[in-house]
Amino acid sequence: EAGVAQSPRYKIIEKRQSVAFWCNPISGHATLYWYQQILGQGPKLLIQFQNNGVVDDSQLPKDRFSAERLKGVDSTLKIQPAKLEDSAVYLCASSFDRDRGTYEQYFGPGTRLTVT
Amino acid sequence: GQSLEQPSEVTAVEGAIVQINCTYQTSGFYGLSWYQQHDGGAPTFLSYNALDGLEETGRFSSFLSRSDSYGYLLLQELQMKDSASYFCAVRVNTDKLIFGTGTRLQVFP
Repeated sequence: EAGVAQSPRYKIIEKRQSVAFWCNPISGHATLYWYQQILGQGPKLLIQFQNNGVVDDSQLPKDRFSAERLKGVDSTLKIQPAKLEDSAVYLCASSFDRDRGTYEQYFGPGTRLTVT
Repeated sequence: GQSLEQPSEVTAVEGAIVQINCTYQTSGFYGLSWYQQHDGGAPTFLSYNALDGLEETGRFSSFLSRSDSYGYLLLQELQMKDSASYFCAVRVNTDKLIFGTGTRLQVFP
């Protein structure tokens, strides 16, 4: 079974530039999450999708971050404009296996973003 | 508010046993999960406890006491490859997790 795919793996940009991350969840998983993980901290939820609808985006800085999940499969997360404090690893996860009825979250390898 | 507390760092030698504790205070509680994350890697799911008691999976076991808002991850027969960060995470509803700050485990030969 293929895992969660993310790209790119690394990205370096200057502040005020824009950047986009892509995620393809595990096949059959209805729920998709974007997390931000700052070095030395645990993952922090930015946004949660159920199919192609937003369930929770209370922690998403909406003035600069946006996300979409068209057709209920792939998702993109965008930052525009980036700030120095956005330097972090952006993790995508998926869950809810309809066949097994399980809710464990499975993570992709992440995108390490450095803003200079 | 939501808070999870776990030690920032634990060290041990190969073959030893180590316990990583987690105490939590959250507005909802469905269960406690544990994840392992190697440097530069993705968090990987280890275990989930919804009910009180001990769950064993190979060398790893996880314990939960809902009345004490407390759980722990027990790692036995430590190996060098177990050096990683370990996160406890509370499932606050059906499909939402709140993560702790992580415990960095260093295993020495």
